[in-house]
Amino acid sequence: GQQVMQIPQYQHVQEGEDFTTYCNSSTTLSNIQWYKQRPGGHPVFLIQLVKSGEVKKQKRLTFQFGEAKKNSSLHITATQTTDVGTYFCAGPANSGGSNYKLTFGKGTLLTVNP
Amino acid sequence: KAGVTQTPRYLIKTRGQQVTLSCSPISGHRSVSWYQQTPGQGLQFLFEYFSETQRNKGNFPGRFSGRQFSNSRSEMNVSTLELGDSALYLCASSRLAGAVVTGELFFGEGSRLTVL
Repeated sequence: GQQVMQIPQYQHVQEGEDFTTYCNSSTTLSNIQWYKQRPGGHPVFLIQLVKSGEVKKQKRLTFQFGEAKKNSSLHITATQTTDVGTYFCAGPANSGGSNYKLTFGKGTLLTVNP
Repeated sequence: KAGVTQTPRYLIKTRGQQVTLSCSPISGHRSVSWYQQTPGQGLQFLFEYFSETQRNKGNFPGRFSGRQFSNSRSEMNVSTLELGDSALYLCASSRLAGAVVTGELFFGEGSRLTVL
C-alpha cells in the first residue's frame, strides 16, 4: 500500500536556526497536506498543496510540492520556541484523491533551544 | 464556531473490556473520520463515515467498529480490548465539495485510552 516517509524523525535546533523536514510518497499524490501537533495536543492543519512544483509561504514557513508530486518539504526560517511540535505530512490514500482517508508520515519532532 | 468535540478525553480500561468513544463534528460537517495515534505506528486511519455510511475502513481488526448518527455525530467502539489498543484516538471532521473531501481535516483533542 501507499507509504509516506518523513525525515528526519527528530530535529533539535537553537532558536533562530532554520529547520527543514522532508516528505516522500511511494505514489503520486493529488495533493499533500501538512499538520502541526504541539506536545499534548492534536494535529492542526497548516496548508494544502495541489499543483506540481507549488510553493506556498506562511510567514516564516515555506512549503514546497515536488514536480513529480511525490515529495514535499517544509522549511522554517529563524525558528522560535513557538515552533516546537511534530510536523506531519499527509496524502490521500485512495487514487480518487479524496482527503477523507489520509496516509500520514511518522512526523518530525522539532525541539527548539531558547 | 465550536470545534470537534470528543468524549471522554481520558479513560482507563482493562484487557477484555470494551470501550465506546464519541465525536461531535463541527456544525455542518458531514464527514467524520477516525485515526489511531501511537508512538510506534503514528497516525493510522481507522474508518470514515458520511451520511451514516461507512465509506472506507483501515487495516484494523473487526474489534474496531463505528457508526454515525443522522446528526453526524459518530461513535467508535473497541471490543475485547488488548494492551496494544492503548493509544490516542482522534476524530476529524471535514467539509465536502459534493461528496468528496478535498480540503483539511479538523481534528478533535482526542480520547486517550489506556488498557491495563
